[in-house]
Amino acid sequence: NAGVMQNPRHLVRRRGQEARLRCSPMKGHSHVYWYRQLPEEGLKFMVYLQKENIIDESGMPKERFSAEFPKEGPSILRIQQVVRGDSAAYFCASSGPGTTTDTQYFGPGTRLTVL
Amino acid sequence: AQSVSQHNHHVILSEAASLELGCNYSYGGTVNLFWYVQYPGQHLQLLLKYFSGDPLVKGIKGFEAEFIKSKFSFNLRKPSVQWSDTAEYFCAVNPRGNNNDMRFGAGTRLTVKP
Repeated sequence: NAGVMQNPRHLVRRRGQEARLRCSPMKGHSHVYWYRQLPEEGLKFMVYLQKENIIDESGMPKERFSAEFPKEGPSILRIQQVVRGDSAAYFCASSGPGTTTDTQYFGPGTRLTVL
Repeated sequence: AQSVSQHNHHVILSEAASLELGCNYSYGGTVNLFWYVQYPGQHLQLLLKYFSGDPLVKGIKGFEAEFIKSKFSFNLRKPSVQWSDTAEYFCAVNPRGNNNDMRFGAGTRLTVKP
């Protein structure tokens, strides 16, 4: 049973370029979460999605960041016109059918470096 | 809004020493509690979790945690650490029934000297 998959593992972009981060949830999971981890800091919640729906995006920066979880295919976190401050590790987590005892399982992360 | 505090930012121990990492949360309602571990260069892995029942929870690799409701605490313990336990440890909390509202502590870096 494959775990949460993320790709790429490492991504280097120049300022002003776009970054696309992909996340495939664990089999049977329909809930996806994106977090950002800055150096020496804990994880900060960004967005929570179910298939074709954004449920909670309260942690997303208002500009340049967007996320989707289409009916088919992985969830995508998109960062437009990246800046140096976007350099961080971005983790995706998934959880099951939505019970009160669901557990989030994490992918390996994408480490974004903005030059 | 809920928050999670991990008081120790960096803990250094020798092998075979006992470990206790503190975690306190602030939230008035019923919560689910988690400890995750992140080994160097790797992703977060679930160590243990508490939803209800026995407040002493046993996890993988010899770790355990005790939920003390009156103290809003969920401290992580291990009686004898190994060099391979060197990692960052994160406490996390979410309100029961609101799984997406997961709040993480800032993490505690554990270094175990061989």
